Amino acid sequence: AQKITQTQPGMFVQEKEAVTLDCTYDTSDQSYGLFWYKQPSSGEMIFLIYQGSYDEQNATEGRYSLNFQKARKSANLVISASQLGDSAMYFCAMREGQKNTGFQKLVFGTGTRLLVSP
Amino acid sequence: DSGVTQTPKHLITATGQRVTLRCSPRSGDLSVYWYQQSLDQGLQFLIQYYNGEERAKGNILERFSAQQFPDLHSELNLSSLELGDSALYFCASSEQVNTGELFFGEGSRLTVL
Repeated sequence: AQKITQTQPGMFVQEKEAVTLDCTYDTSDQSYGLFWYKQPSSGEMIFLIYQGSYDEQNATEGRYSLNFQKARKSANLVISASQLGDSAMYFCAMREGQKNTGFQKLVFGTGTRLLVSP
Repeated sequence: DSGVTQTPKHLITATGQRVTLRCSPRSGDLSVYWYQQSLDQGLQFLIQYYNGEERAKGNILERFSAQQFPDLHSELNLSSLELGDSALYFCASSEQVNTGELFFGEGSRLTVL
């Protein structure tokens, strides 16, 4: 069963506008973590933002914020004031396993390709 | 720069051959993960090592093997290569203490001809 679902294969946004990339997840764990990574055309995976399942406030990192709705099991990424350099693939991921136990892995969604136009 | 170093960055080889991909984790990180990213399969977890010991196995083929050495660097060995093994292979490391985020290397792009 797919644990991370990104339903938007591609998204278009104009420069300076905000965009929301969707992510839903499935887990029976009480403790889990949700991540967003950016993969530009050069290929590297860049960590953007993290949300812990017990965090009461939505995570924010500069222009990135994570809209965490636990009951709906969604963790959408919001990018404000889009820039041309934001054009990339974006992956949502969930940590399986318990941190500090030496075992954990990230399970990734299929990604959303974001294109920012001038 | 994530601090994770992968070599080689690009590798072209023929079917049936064997290659070794190398990864140096961030200083202080004990965990190393290997992921395969192909066009049709997305990002697939292969294997995890923690302080030299194998901790978790994902969708890793029997033709593939990995190890983590005492200095914490890791190698992924791919043998009897097939065309379908062409992919971007990522190594990642984590400190296991904080958020648990993975820091990825730039990847090794393998092309099997």
